[in-house]
Amino acid sequence: AQKVTQAQTEISVVEKEDVTLDCVYETRDTTYYLFWYKQPPSGELVFLIRRNSFDEQNEISGRYSWNFQKSTSSFNFTITASQVVDSAVYFCALSGSYNNNDMRFGAGTRLTVKP
Amino acid sequence: NAGVTQTPKFRVLKTGQSMTLLCAQDMNHEYMYWYRQDPGMGLRLIHYSVGEGTTAKGEVPDGYNVSRLKKQNFLLGLESAAPSQTSVYFCASSYPGRVEPQHFGDGTRLSIL
Repeated sequence: AQKVTQAQTEISVVEKEDVTLDCVYETRDTTYYLFWYKQPPSGELVFLIRRNSFDEQNEISGRYSWNFQKSTSSFNFTITASQVVDSAVYFCALSGSYNNNDMRFGAGTRLTVKP
Repeated sequence: NAGVTQTPKFRVLKTGQSMTLLCAQDMNHEYMYWYRQDPGMGLRLIHYSVGEGTTAKGEVPDGYNVSRLKKQNFLLGLESAAPSQTSVYFCASSYPGRVEPQHFGDGTRLSIL
């Protein structure tokens, strides 16, 4: 069975602080994909990044960075110098089936960035 | 580009009523999905389709039916609405394969009284 755990239900930071959102996953598949999605207050889900299980290189995109560690089954997301516009619910997701039809989402972390 | 469009955006139903949620995508995606989002539980897959004319059950299919008569449309039906089905429903679509990200609609907020 696949499972994604986002232990942080809510996080509140002040603008310009760095913040890390944790994601821990469980799977028996040897090949799998991890995703992060952002859900701003307007409600839509926006794809941020995907990572396959064979690529443990960290990735940086502007103020966003992702740390994938297979040894600890974690795929953490860091926002550097947070901004008010980063306020959203962030979901981590795991896809292990070939057909991408059993994607499992974590419960989400609500990030509030205060000015 | 419209992407994934869900209709309606809001709806209130009485227990026992039926309704259909419509999802339309213009990206020529083979795969389409219906999820429900409940507080503290993330998104859970209700049903999905890997192509026109095919559907399959997801994690929480009970109380819902779906149809995919056209490639671009995926309908979610509630035959006899129950208060437990109060939720936000999201439709998504993607190209085939687990590497492909899913593209989501804006959601439908459904309340069952």
